[in-house]
Amino acid sequence: QVQLQQWGAGLLKPSETLSLTCAVYGGSFSAYYWSWIRQPPGQGLEYIGDIDHSGSTNYNPSLKSRVTISVDTSKYQFSLKLSSVTAADTAVYYCAREGPFRGPNYYYYYMDVWGKGTTVTVSS
Amino acid sequence: QSMLTQPPSVSGAPGQRITISCTGSSSNTGAGYDVHWYQQVPGTAPKLLIYGNNNRPSGVPDRFSGSKSATSASLAITGLQAEDEADYYCQSYDSSLSGSRVFGTGTKVTVL
Repeated sequence: QVQLQQWGAGLLKPSETLSLTCAVYGGSFSAYYWSWIRQPPGQGLEYIGDIDHSGSTNYNPSLKSRVTISVDTSKYQFSLKLSSVTAADTAVYYCAREGPFRGPNYYYYYMDVWGKGTTVTVSS
Repeated sequence: QSMLTQPPSVSGAPGQRITISCTGSSSNTGAGYDVHWYQQVPGTAPKLLIYGNNNRPSGVPDRFSGSKSATSASLAITGLQAEDEADYYCQSYDSSLSGSRVFGTGTKVTVL
């Protein structure tokens, strides 16, 4: 059974760089896309971006200028960096496995396994 | 930034049937992209509930069902139970966002 374990700094000052890592245990790493999603306090889910084992990425256009997602296939890990953080970046950050999953006619992309989340607070 | 609109809240008595709508546009649900649904109990990570518009992962009760029409999708919960009280999110792909996935605004389900 696939499990995701995530970690990183939980308290940042404005203008610093957020850095989180997610490790994959118990399944294939190269067959999937791996995602980052965040949830500000009391708000909904926001897709940040994803990466595959080759390093191919997709980013949310609203965050693209500040986001870097990278992968270390030798360790079965992928990472998120978000630069120049502000209070608006305060959120719970989740990593997730995204697919592709084979359907009857094409492949699906959805998040089927999630990490427990990391609370990141940006405050001076 | 979300372009999938859900009602903020839906409520029902135990045993009742409720539905949650997810309304998109021509660049996401209207373009034929699949809709997936997640359940999130406060303080925990989201859990996949429905994938590919109307498919349940193993272990999800058949009280949960999904459907999709032209530009919208719906999640139905029949035989509502106290444990169904949670937040629900739809998710799809948006072609106007350079490969980005998009989540709905979220719906809080309250069991009366």
